[in-house]
Amino acid sequence: DTAVSQTPKYLVTQMGNDKSIKCEQNLGHDTMYWYKQDSKKFLKIMFSYNNKELIINETVPNRFSPKSPDKAHLNLHINSLELGDSAVYFCASSLRTGVNEKLFFGSGTQLSVL
Amino acid sequence: GNSVTQMEGPVTLSEEAFLTINCTYTATGYPSLFWYVQYPGEGLQLLLKATKADDKGSNKGFEATYRKETTSFHLEKGSVQVSDSAVYFCALGHTGRRALTFGSGTRLQVQP
Repeated sequence: DTAVSQTPKYLVTQMGNDKSIKCEQNLGHDTMYWYKQDSKKFLKIMFSYNNKELIINETVPNRFSPKSPDKAHLNLHINSLELGDSAVYFCASSLRTGVNEKLFFGSGTQLSVL
Repeated sequence: GNSVTQMEGPVTLSEEAFLTINCTYTATGYPSLFWYVQYPGEGLQLLLKATKADDKGSNKGFEATYRKETTSFHLEKGSVQVSDSAVYFCALGHTGRRALTFGSGTRLQVQP
């Protein structure tokens, strides 16, 4: 059983479309994250939720909206996709919030906007 | 702000060679330092960590020592195997933020 699973693995779409990426963790963790891996391969935090409450919201365009229906799920919806949104998006979870907490990552979603 | 700089890859080594992947950081105070590894087709997973100066993290034959004087956390392994081929990410955790700051990753390729 995969601990942190995200779907889809690959997503190819046209500019202007709206798309969602889903993430689920079966570890019983309280905290979930979305990271974006940019063209230079840096992973940058986008959002974090603790027990369904938004706790980190970095400088991300309003077109990106996270949704956490319960603490095991954190989805990412992107409106009006742009070429610059092409990247690999990683979901992660940790038992609780804190910089020393071990992160468990999904295998990533490669988004290509044409 | 906080930042992590890693050596650019790919690093290509023969099996049983000695590995060093350099990592330096910029941060105020006393951050925690981590190495994460991403095997092909998988998500990142924690390899080792150190939470204070002079601590040494170790796991699976890999080691890294937290050097505050040089703001470094270099990853080392005495004898690499083909199965170590992966991308290695250095990361920093600071109490002023609630998420890790990652470097750009270094790809390691080990040839038989």
